[in-house]
Amino acid sequence: DAMVIQNPRYQVTQFGKPVTLSCSQTLNHNVMYWYQQKSSQAPKLLFHYYDKDFNNEADTPDNFQSRRPNTSFCFLDIRSPGLGDAAMYLCATSRKGQGNNSPLHFGNGTRLTVT
Amino acid sequence: AQSVTQLDSHVSVSEGTPVLLRCNYSSSYSPSLFWYVQHPNKGLQLLLKYTSAATLVKGINGFEAEFKKSETSFHLTKPSAHMSDAAEYFCVVHKAAGNKLTFGGGTRVLVKP
Repeated sequence: DAMVIQNPRYQVTQFGKPVTLSCSQTLNHNVMYWYQQKSSQAPKLLFHYYDKDFNNEADTPDNFQSRRPNTSFCFLDIRSPGLGDAAMYLCATSRKGQGNNSPLHFGNGTRLTVT
Repeated sequence: AQSVTQLDSHVSVSEGTPVLLRCNYSSSYSPSLFWYVQHPNKGLQLLLKYTSAATLVKGINGFEAEFKKSETSFHLTKPSAHMSDAAEYFCVVHKAAGNKLTFGGGTRVLVKP
């Protein structure tokens, strides 16, 4: 089945130690998103790629970076994780057409713990 | 600008009874509207979507939602709740011309035996 896969499901890192979360998709969607979701809150968009075009949200900290080497893969890099970055990180994809958008397809997320 | 308000942060129902999750939106454009469900430690799964076709939308797992433009509402209903429906539900607005979604605050559903 076509899907969005996030690895790992659970990630533990130390305060200040860089960490990378990965996302892959078999849907061939042209848009990929990274969301941060804290407990009992709605997901918050960090950034998205429309094809190779990177779109950062204005309030996304510089500590968060992303790479999309090809259509199928997208990475979230946290350069110096703080305790406040502990959250569930969700990757999603969609296909953007002419003035319309398919629904987002989400991966199961990576839960990040910072010690 | 667009916004989404889910009127109840928590809803508790008994198994076998109807479920109603309320959502109101505001949008300057013709929006696409979605309901997503999130089970614990999982990603979000699409329940149903409205994209300016039929105003009554049927989704998966027996859920349906009705788009009412005059009330700017998109409430989600299910006639008979099942224990597996216990989860968090998000109402989402997607502006047709953009890539961004606006999420409601979520409604946590508890189903009692």
